Amino acid sequence: EIVLTQSPATLSLSPGERATLSCRASESVSRYLAWYQQKPGQAPRLLIYDASNRATGIPARFSGSGSGTDFTLTISSLEPEDFAVYYCQHRYNWPLTFGGGTKVEIK
Amino acid sequence: EVQLLESGGDLVQPGGSLRLSCVASGFTFSNYDMSWVRQAPGKGLEWVSAVSTSGDGTTYADSVKGRFTISRDNSKNTLSLQMNSLRAEDTAIYYCAKVLQHWYFDVWGRGTLVTVSS
Repeated sequence: EIVLTQSPATLSLSPGERATLSCRASESVSRYLAWYQQKPGQAPRLLIYDASNRATGIPARFSGSGSGTDFTLTISSLEPEDFAVYYCQHRYNWPLTFGGGTKVEIK
Repeated sequence: EVQLLESGGDLVQPGGSLRLSCVASGFTFSNYDMSWVRQAPGKGLEWVSAVSTSGDGTTYADSVKGRFTISRDNSKNTLSLQMNSLRAEDTAIYYCAKVLQHWYFDVWGRGTLVTVSS
């Protein structure tokens, strides 16, 4: 099973600041990695797939990069609605796994 | 509008059974693989099971293999999850999810809560 480790666990930032979230895989997943956003009481929302492709309707301030074992989600300038928990997920093989999440909170 | 609506969550005793359903609308259900993902209270996301477009191909997380069965009825736009031999650690919100590109999840339902407790 591929283990995805997200860091940091919590990121405290102010609106307008840049957020950089990391996801590290225990073995290579090529570019088969996605990012999701989840707000309290809501289902997750797909942001990025195949490491760098924005999903439909996702604002350009969200971008993804990386390949192999190291991936990054960047939010260029935090909007109030971006404060949430973010998860990465691979689709390289079975079982599919998610990272433990990074909470982006208001400083 | 593309929508998934889960139902069937309940309080059940350890060792009991439950069947979850997910009704899809707004897209051609039979054209997409589907999946279940769960989230224990206050915890992260865990993939549970997936099924191919025809229903012939299924796969499961080790934590539920042999106890859970995923199925679909394309004539009724419905995805199901039969859960047997339930354990306390199966307590979670269960989400139905539409699959994008083998195997990301681009549409999610609102979830249904399963609580396993005596």
